[in-house]
Amino acid sequence: KQEVTQIPAALSVPEGENLVLNCSFTDSAIYNLQWFRQDPGKGLTSLLLIQSSQREQTSGRLNASLDKSSGRSTLYIAASQPGDSATYLCAVRGNNAGNMLTFGGGTRLMVKP
Amino acid sequence: DAMVIQNPRYQVTQFGKPVTLSCSQTLNHNVMYWYQQKSSQAPKLLFHYYDKDFNNEADTPDNFQSRRPNTSFCFLDIRSPGLGDAAMYLCATSRDVAGAYNEQFFGPGTRLTVL
Repeated sequence: KQEVTQIPAALSVPEGENLVLNCSFTDSAIYNLQWFRQDPGKGLTSLLLIQSSQREQTSGRLNASLDKSSGRSTLYIAASQPGDSATYLCAVRGNNAGNMLTFGGGTRLMVKP
Repeated sequence: DAMVIQNPRYQVTQFGKPVTLSCSQTLNHNVMYWYQQKSSQAPKLLFHYYDKDFNNEADTPDNFQSRRPNTSFCFLDIRSPGLGDAAMYLCATSRDVAGAYNEQFFGPGTRLTVL
């Protein structure tokens, strides 16, 4: 059974700092990995999708990497801003029975002005 | 803009009183999902539809039902809400269930309160 872990569970940084969020998964048989952002009381916003054959994806100040063989992904946020404060969730879509997303527990990020 | 829409955004019901949450999508995706999310937890998949094919997760209580009358709409029915069913309910869609390109999109959620 796929298990997804996100470390750290919470992170507080000063504005302007570059930061890295980590995601690990136990089964490398995946179609893709998605990073989501969730603001308090809101739904999930898809930030980046990395296909299993890809190594990284970039969108603005965000860069996500994928090392499928080691079961790891990172989300790099450059020049963090208070507006980046949210919970970040990673999820993997397995390519075995079911094919549903398996979520990590999330990292709650606070960027202080 | 193509999107996933959920109504209402906030729903209050009484213990044991049936409630229906609705979801619609303009993405023309084949798959629609319902998730339950409790405070500080990851979303938990309740069930999904692939077109008209209903797929229930093994641990989804019988109290939860779903209907998908057409491609665009999907409903979550809670037959007899208990206090433990108070949560955020998230609807999501994807074009398919398989494939590396397959991206999942979520609606804004419905916050359910049970009194």
